This record gives sequence, structure tokens and C-alpha cells, in this order.
Amino acid sequence: RKEVEQDPGPFNVPEGATVAFNCTYSNSASQSFFWYRQDCRKEPKLLMSVYSSGNEDGRFTAQLNRASQYISLLIRDSKLSDSATYLCVVNMDNFNKFYFGSGTKLNVKP
Amino acid sequence: DTAVSQTPKYLVTQMGNDKSIKCEQNLGHDTMYWYKQDSKKFLKIMFSYNNKELIINETVPNRFSPKSPDKAHLNLHINSLELGDSAVYFCASSQDLAERQYNEQFFGPGTRLTVL
Repeated sequence: RKEVEQDPGPFNVPEGATVAFNCTYSNSASQSFFWYRQDCRKEPKLLMSVYSSGNEDGRFTAQLNRASQYISLLIRDSKLSDSATYLCVVNMDNFNKFYFGSGTKLNVKP
Repeated sequence: DTAVSQTPKYLVTQMGNDKSIKCEQNLGHDTMYWYKQDSKKFLKIMFSYNNKELIINETVPNRFSPKSPDKAHLNLHINSLELGDSAVYFCASSQDLAERQYNEQFFGPGTRLTVL
């Protein structure tokens, strides 16, 4: 079983739609959680960290469910520019060891 | 003013050759990483160095040898290249923070390696 699993998609949604991605992780001792965004042929960039109580950044909301070992990302009012691959990232130990999910591809259509 | 830079950006070479990829960060970070992203886009950690000391060495063939001359540089040397080494290699860095949810990684632009 992979340390971090995501639905690869693609999710094809119209502009203005709300879309949600989930990600599950295997190690209950995981300490920190992130969502990264990767555009085609570019490097990953941090979208947002995921806090225990959940957090929001504009149109983006991240949630953590430790009991069920999953994190989620909700994007409201999708824009064309949101089209990208969203990577779930989990830090599992004290040595800055990060595990990446394989990514969920989002296509926002006009 | 690039934060994490890698050279070269593209590398096309024959099987059996030896090649190096260089990485530099000017963020003052303590930790640097090498990741491999294969054709299925799965990003997998290979190595991590903290203040020039190797702290993570995943199951990577010993043909891959990282070297960190100082904490701002982490180079990757690959011996006897194989077809399966074709991938995009990303260098990254992060600062060690007590509040781990702020340990953002900054990635270089990637090196696209093609082995023929």
C-alpha cells in the first residue's frame, strides 16, 4: 500500500463549479500535511498547509481528519487558472521526509 | 534571484554514460532533497541532506550518488545510466521549523533526463 493515495482524476469541471479532492495516508503518526500544485512541465509549489482544525485561503479550504486518515481540498468558484495537478503531501517523521501522492488532475473548462 | 536552481534543465544521453545534475539554493535552508518524478507523475524522494549530512537515503541504486559540498548545494551524480533512469529530477530545499506544518519545500525547475 502506498503511503499517500489520491484519485488521479481527471476532474473535468466548468468554471464556477465547486470541486473536492480527497487524499488518504497510511501512517497514523504523520505529523504535517500539505497540498501542492503542479502545472504541466513545472515544479510543484505549495498551495497550502493543512492545519488540524482545518483552514481556508480564499477559495480554497483544506480539512484534516486524523481518525480516518484523510485530508481534503475544496475549491470553490473554479477558475480556468486552477487547472493543474494537485499533490497531497504528508510528512511522516522527524527527518523532513515527505511523501507525495501521485496527484489529482483538475481541468476547468470555460 | 532564483530560489532553487538546477542545471542542466534538459539532459539527453546514451545508456552507460555518467552524468551529473547540480542544485543550488539561496534561501539559507538547512535541508535539501532530490526527488524523481517518473512518467506516471509520481514524485518519490531519493535523498535528503541536512547541513551537508545525509539523513534520508531511500531505496535507490548505488549508481546514484549525492554530494553536498556545503549546505547551499546538493549535486547528484549518476553512473552507468539506464533506460529506466529517464525521468524528471527535482531538487528541493526546506527550513527546519519547530512548527512542522510550515516546513514548506521549494522546488527547482527540474532536470528532464532522457536516456537513449
